[in-house]
Amino acid sequence: DGGITQSPKYLFRKEGQNVTLSCEQNLNHDAMYWYRQDPGQGLRLIYYSQIVNDFQKGDIAEGYSVSREKKESFPLTVTSAQKNPTAFYLCASSNRQGRIEQYFGPGTRLTVT
Amino acid sequence: DAKTTQPPSMDCAEGRAANLPCNHSTISGNEYVYWYRQIHSQGPQYIIHGLKNNETNEMASLIITEDRKSSTLILPHATLRDTAVYYCIVRDFNKFYFGSGTKLNVKP
Repeated sequence: DGGITQSPKYLFRKEGQNVTLSCEQNLNHDAMYWYRQDPGQGLRLIYYSQIVNDFQKGDIAEGYSVSREKKESFPLTVTSAQKNPTAFYLCASSNRQGRIEQYFGPGTRLTVT
Repeated sequence: DAKTTQPPSMDCAEGRAANLPCNHSTISGNEYVYWYRQIHSQGPQYIIHGLKNNETNEMASLIITEDRKSSTLILPHATLRDTAVYYCIVRDFNKFYFGSGTKLNVKP
């Protein structure tokens, strides 16, 4: 089955630790995205990548880092510099041309205490 | 900055049509309007999109005003499973701008 996988579904970390969230897609999509969602709020764009080895900051990139070494993978690292890391994190992918709707993964809920 | 404005919540009776409005008064000529929905704690699901013309698919219809400053998503026969947050989104190239959405409550 084609789709996007995110792991783990729930993640718990102590304050001051970096943590990496996984996102993998087998849809052969060029573009991938990371969003953050806080309770009762919409999605905010953290980073996006339109092609391998290239990525751009979204609206709330501070305290986060990404890499795009493979087309299928776009991991997100939440660093200790992120002041309020507890949130629901969603990964998405899309084609760059033509029908460009985004397909979303199931999300990872990160709790930092 | 969100480029869309939606009411925070709406109610709809099961079996009736749900009409969800969206304002996007600053939309530019090459920006598409997309609709997604999100059921609690899941990833958003694509519903429909359009540029100028009205669109229909198996899930919904999208009505875009002639000046493109607003649109309406229509679920023709709402069911309890349609209870979700519905996002109206303007796409600028490959960036999607999500607002806070409308929480649709479908009631028996």
